[in-house]
Amino acid sequence: GAVVSQHPSRVICKSGTSVKIECRSLDFQATTMFWYRQFPKQSLMLMATSNEGSKATYEQGVEKDKFLINHASLTLSTLTVTSAHPEDSSFYICSAVQDNYGYTFGSGTRLTVV
Amino acid sequence: DAKTTQPNSMESNEEEPVHLPCNHSTISGTDYIHWYRQLPSQGPEYVIHGLTSNVNNRMASLAIAEDRKSSTLILHRATLRDAAVYYCILRDLRGSTLGRLYFGRGTQLTVWP
Repeated sequence: GAVVSQHPSRVICKSGTSVKIECRSLDFQATTMFWYRQFPKQSLMLMATSNEGSKATYEQGVEKDKFLINHASLTLSTLTVTSAHPEDSSFYICSAVQDNYGYTFGSGTRLTVV
Repeated sequence: DAKTTQPNSMESNEEEPVHLPCNHSTISGTDYIHWYRQLPSQGPEYVIHGLTSNVNNRMASLAIAEDRKSSTLILHRATLRDAAVYYCILRDLRGSTLGRLYFGRGTQLTVWP
């Protein structure tokens, strides 16, 4: 079945620095990927839709200058959290869809900003 | 933006069937019904999806009401590994949302040994 690999699984960074999270579709091409954020005991919140070769579409209330998304190839999308602050600490999850199949999710990245 | 309603929690005993309900009274004709589940500290896992007819796969069955305003995910024999948060989500391929999945609060399923 379809596999989405997300890296790193866990990262700790200092306040003010930037962190990049990678999302790869391993056995299929994904023209569209999605990025979610999940706080403890809460549901997933869609942050943005990543489109290969074009600008990402951000959900209302998500700062596009803070959460930079690049989808340079059909198998890779990256999310960069710029100038991270403790309130950005969260569980970040990507997903991709392969035609009419269900969405496949990465295993998530636990970001802790200290 | 979630357009589904699910109970916050349900419980089951191991090896018993589980019926997880979902209401989606405002469903449109082009909305697919998707189910995902999530274990702690993991990304969601696809379970099943359907449009109008009931669906079966190795993980579960999906029963869709004739008017499509509700559906039920059926786990035929619950195991301890089925304990998770189950999300019922509508996927629309038309319009501005263009296939995006918006998660609601889901149902926390507890399975007792």
